[in-house]
Order: sequence, then structure tokens, then C-alpha cells
Amino acid sequence: EVQLLESGGGLVQPGGSLRLSCAASGFTFSSYAMSWVRQAPGKGLEWVSDISGSGGTTYYADSVKGRFTISRDNSKNTLYLQMNSLRVEDTAEYYCAKAVVIAAPADYWGQGTLVTVSS
Amino acid sequence: DIVMTQSPDSLAVSLGERATINCKSSQSVLYSSNKQNYLAWYQQRPGQPPKLLISWASTRESGVPDRFSGSGSGTDFTLTISSLQAEDVAVYYCQQYYSALWTFGQGTKVEIK
Repeated sequence: EVQLLESGGGLVQPGGSLRLSCAASGFTFSSYAMSWVRQAPGKGLEWVSDISGSGGTTYYADSVKGRFTISRDNSKNTLYLQMNSLRVEDTAEYYCAKAVVIAAPADYWGQGTLVTVSS
Repeated sequence: DIVMTQSPDSLAVSLGERATINCKSSQSVLYSSNKQNYLAWYQQRPGQPPKLLISWASTRESGVPDRFSGSGSGTDFTLTISSLQAEDVAVYYCQQYYSALWTFGQGTKVEIK
């Protein structure tokens, strides 16, 4: 059974940093692209970043480019999102999601971890 | 970026009746080399993560009831729930994955009338 478990969310001040993790199980992690998608409270879905199975290819939304870094450790079956220079507008539930390749839909999603940026 | 626009923003349908949600992309998501539309539909129930219902515009995922169907090509797509059930109350999103920079529609909230 595919499982994706996010962690690392919490309350952080504007300008601060946070690292999210997503522990994956139930599939061959290194064979699949992974993504982060966020959802501000009461709002819709916003794609944040993608990474290929090897980790060699990454993409970012303009809203986070230069501030967030996606990475993965295939030996630990774990996806990461390093978030720096956080802004109030980054407040959201952050979901990790799995896809066959980047050009494919997200077929499994984690339960999410909440990031709140506030002073 | 490819902009995805859904209509309506919300709709209320009686149990057993048909619900139709439209999605329009700002540019074609039909890939000419393989004739596939890079368009997915997701269901998000309250308090839950999104769930993939339909990929490639019309391919229902395993376990998804056959009352859900997707259609369309190029820039115009439709999700149809043929006979609304109580458990279908949710927000539905379309998404394009034609571009590596995924984009989602704003969502359509489906309620029971």
C-alpha cells in the first residue's frame, strides 16, 4: 500500500525557515517523480515544486522560486522541501504527491502538514 | 503558465441527478505526438487530501465509480457525475500536467440540493 507521510510543519515567523519531509513507502521511491502542492486555508490547490525520480530535474512555481528547494534522498525514501524567507502568504497545508513522471497526474497524496507563517 | 478556469464555482444538485463541471485551459493540453490530453480531475472531500479521479481527460482511476466520467479535448473539458450520491459532496479540481509547471482550476464545490 502506498503511503506518504508529511512532517515538519509548524508556526514560523516571517523571514524564517522550515524544512518539510515526506516519508514514502509501498512503492519503489526512486522510480517516481514527486511533487509538493499547497492549499491556503479555505482556498484552492497551488502546485509548488516537482522533482524527477533521480532528483536531477526540478521545477518551481514562480511564487517560491529562489526561496524554496526541493530535494530527495532515495536511500531514505524521503522527499524534502526546504523553505527559506517565508512569507505570510506561504501559510498553507502542504501536501506531497507521487506521480509516475513529472508529465503525469498525482496518483497518491499524503495527508498534509500545516505551515503557518505569522508574527 | 497555462491558466485553468472552471465553471461553475459551485453547484447544488439533487440526489440521483446529473452534475456537470467544465474546465477550460488557456492553451491546448493535447500533445500532438501521442494524441493524449494532459488533463486530470481530482475530488477533495472536506478535511481530506485530493484524490485522483480521472487522468488523460477520460481515463477513470481504479476503484472510481463509473458514475464519474471525463470528456473533452484540446482546451475544453467536462467532468460529469451521472447520478449524484451523498458521498460525492466535495470540491472538484481540474489540473493540467502538459507543462511541468502544473496548474489547477480554482475548484467547483458540489453540494446536495
